Amino acid sequence: KAGVTQTPRYLIKTRGQQVTLSCSPISGHRSVSWYQQTPGQGLQFLFEYFSETQRNKGNFPGRFSGRQFSNSRSEMNVSTLELGDSALYLCASSSLAGGETQYFGPGTRLLVL
Amino acid sequence: GENVEQHPSTLSVQEGDSAVIKCTYSDSASNYFPWYKQELGKGPQLIIDIRSNVGEKKDQRIAVTLNKTAKHFSLHITETQPEDSAVYFCAAAQRGFQKLVFGTGTRLLVSP
Repeated sequence: KAGVTQTPRYLIKTRGQQVTLSCSPISGHRSVSWYQQTPGQGLQFLFEYFSETQRNKGNFPGRFSGRQFSNSRSEMNVSTLELGDSALYLCASSSLAGGETQYFGPGTRLLVL
Repeated sequence: GENVEQHPSTLSVQEGDSAVIKCTYSDSASNYFPWYKQELGKGPQLIIDIRSNVGEKKDQRIAVTLNKTAKHFSLHITETQPEDSAVYFCAAAQRGFQKLVFGTGTRLLVSP
């Protein structure tokens, strides 16, 4: 089975722009979670989608949003980018929702200038 | 909310030695504890996980122990090899929720 795929792998944006990141879960997985990884804050939960519905949300501003499509693929969007949004954005998928094993993709590295 | 503390932040061992990484959690409602290995330029890779109804779990050279009373869990790697060098993260989650709360990571260096 193919693993979790994320596109693009690298991205450079400037302050004020917006960005959309994409995640394709493992085939058959219906839950997709997003995490932000930075040297200062570590790995932090952004949100989780299951069957096209956001089930959980972390403590991030409203500039961070996401959605999930009927084929379980997910996108996250960050509007009005700030320098502090520079991070590795990781997507994880699991077969079900609620305490199930999560498998991570390689991440999208975003640099905001 | 949940808080996970992880120690040590760095760990250097000689090839063949054992390595132990410890984590504590604060929320007694947490019942799922995975461990991830992250190599440079890659996403975290699940290496072992344990649920609160089990005290210990082994997979070849890797083992995890859980003490629910003390709210701590540990990763044990025996017969370490240079390819074990990476950053290791512990995490905790509650039943019914996919939100993983991660520790701050341990950089393991195994010298030949």
